[in-house]
Amino acid sequence: DAGVIQSPRHEVTEMGQEVTLRCKPISGHDYLFWYRQTMMRGLELLIYFNNNVPIDDSGMPEDRFSAKMPNASFSTLKIQPSEPRDSAVYFCASSFGNRDLYNSPLHFGNGTRLTVT
Amino acid sequence: AQTVTQSQPEMSVQEAETVTLSCTYDTSESNYYLFWYKQPPSRQMILVIRQEAYKQQNATENRFSVNFQKAAKSFSLKISDSQLGDTAMYFCAFVNNAGNMLTFGGGTRLMVKP
Repeated sequence: DAGVIQSPRHEVTEMGQEVTLRCKPISGHDYLFWYRQTMMRGLELLIYFNNNVPIDDSGMPEDRFSAKMPNASFSTLKIQPSEPRDSAVYFCASSFGNRDLYNSPLHFGNGTRLTVT
Repeated sequence: AQTVTQSQPEMSVQEAETVTLSCTYDTSESNYYLFWYKQPPSRQMILVIRQEAYKQQNATENRFSVNFQKAAKSFSLKISDSQLGDTAMYFCAFVNNAGNMLTFGGGTRLMVKP
């Protein structure tokens, strides 16, 4: 298995532009999580999906952030409009959830480093 | 809500020595899962070791072991015979029994010195 695949690896954009981050979870995983990592706040959960349905988006910072999961193999995190304070590393992770949590813990992608100038 | 606290923002250790990273958590659940993740400069999050709360025996994975104290809600990571490749950020993580909520600590940056 190729693992969780995120793209792009790096994204540099200007303030006000729309940014779309992409994630392909591991095949068969029914939970997908989006995390944001910053020096100040560490790893924060933004939103997670179960079977493509958003379950908890309470971590999404503002209405400028939105996430979708149109099918079991693809998710996007969109920021529109982007701001410099959105600069961070964004991780996607997937798992089997409570079907086999101990033997299949979260698998992370390599993250997208977003820089908004 | 669960909280995870790593009280050591940075630590350093000499190569071949032993170091212990601390982690405490707060929860009202009786069963749950605890993990240590390593994040090297490559940014990849790598699972180091895991522990299920109802198992009293401390988990070990080669040079990595944990000291799990359920009553004290403590889950420390011991790295024996430290190697230069152990240099990384280490995150303690708590997962609830439902498996739908993973909470990370703030991380400890470990530097292994030659």
